[in-house]
Amino acid sequence: GNSVTQMEGPVTLSEEAFLTINCTYTATGYPSLFWYVQYPGEGLQLLLKATKADDKGSNKGFEATYRKETTSFHLEKGSVQVSDSAVYFCALSDQWSGGSNYKLTFGKGTLLTVNP
Amino acid sequence: NAGVTQTPKFRVLKTGQSMTLLCAQDMNHEYMYWYRQDPGMGLRLIHYSVGEGTTAKGEVPDGYNVSRLKKQNFLLGLESAAPSQTSVYFCASSLRPQWEAFFGQGTRLTVV
Repeated sequence: GNSVTQMEGPVTLSEEAFLTINCTYTATGYPSLFWYVQYPGEGLQLLLKATKADDKGSNKGFEATYRKETTSFHLEKGSVQVSDSAVYFCALSDQWSGGSNYKLTFGKGTLLTVNP
Repeated sequence: NAGVTQTPKFRVLKTGQSMTLLCAQDMNHEYMYWYRQDPGMGLRLIHYSVGEGTTAKGEVPDGYNVSRLKKQNFLLGLESAAPSQTSVYFCASSLRPQWEAFFGQGTRLTVV
């Protein structure tokens, strides 16, 4: 079945540090890949997405490239800010149960804390 | 633009009590989902709907029921709450099933 594995947290960085959160996946088809962010006390928000191999998703200084050969979708940001402190979820959307239904499969989430 | 709205935001139940969580979306999305979020588990799909009048089981459907009588609303029911159902529940909707989902702010449920 489909699965998403992302690096264990928590991750603690100083402001302006470089961020990488690793994400790898297994899927039976050709999934779309997503990064969602959850700020404290809120629901999940889409951060970025990529729908096919070699696509790069980007938003708010974050980037991730869909690597089919390594089945990865690592999240990066060159200079994090305190306001980036949140939980980050990698997810894929693919067919499920052998039918035409799709569903999102999430990783377990990575808590990022950025200190001033 | 409200997006996805969940009611209530917090609730404490006693074991054996019942309740209904309401999800409403104003984006005319066909697809709606209920997830639960537990520490270290990520999000797990409980039930989903591919259109008005339809529902289907997700990964962890036991102990829950759902209804989609109107396109904009998706209700999640707990008939007899158990402590194992203590969790944060998120509703989501999407225009297409393989596209991104839009989430509500969550309902924190505690069963004592």
